[in-house]
Amino acid sequence: EAGVAQSPRYKIIEKRQSVAFWCNPISGHATLYWYQQILGQGPKLLIQFQNNGVVDDSQLPKDRFSAERLKGVDSTLKIQPAKLEDSAVYLCASSYRTQGGTDTQYFGPGTRLTVL
Amino acid sequence: DAKTTQPNSMESNEEEPVHLPCNHSTISGTDYIHWYRQLPSQGPEYVIHGLTSNVNNRMASLAIAEDRKSSTLILHRATLRDAAVYYCILRVGDGNKLVFGAGTILRVKS
Repeated sequence: EAGVAQSPRYKIIEKRQSVAFWCNPISGHATLYWYQQILGQGPKLLIQFQNNGVVDDSQLPKDRFSAERLKGVDSTLKIQPAKLEDSAVYLCASSYRTQGGTDTQYFGPGTRLTVL
Repeated sequence: DAKTTQPNSMESNEEEPVHLPCNHSTISGTDYIHWYRQLPSQGPEYVIHGLTSNVNNRMASLAIAEDRKSSTLILHRATLRDAAVYYCILRVGDGNKLVFGAGTILRVKS
């Protein structure tokens, strides 16, 4: 079974530039998550999709971050414009369904973003 | 969000058992206890979960206190590949949200 795919793996940009990350979840997984992981901290949920609808985006900085999952499969996360504090690893995860406290999330390898 | 408390770091010798503690005194009756780990330069991976009873799988065992206010992840024989950050997470019963803390850095010595 193929895992969660993310690209690019690394990205270096200057502040105020734009950047986009792509995620392809495990086939058949209805729920997709984007997390931000700052060095030395645990991942923080930015947004959660169920199919192509948003379930939770309470911690997404909506003035600069946006995400979409138009066809309910792959997803993109965009930052525009980037700030220095956006330097982090952006992790994508997917799971089979939303409901239930036993559902396992499968994570991709992440995209390491450096903002100069 | 329900909170957990874990030691910042622990050290173990290779081939010895490791007991990683987690306190979750505010746990409610429907919160599941999940453990994930994150190896260097990788995304987190699921280890084990439980609700009330102790659980075993091929990776580890989870011992849950009778009052559910604490739990312990047990690696029966640590290997160098088990060196990672281990996260203890409470999952709210009707949702799928993971709220990660800082976790415990496990170092394994050869």
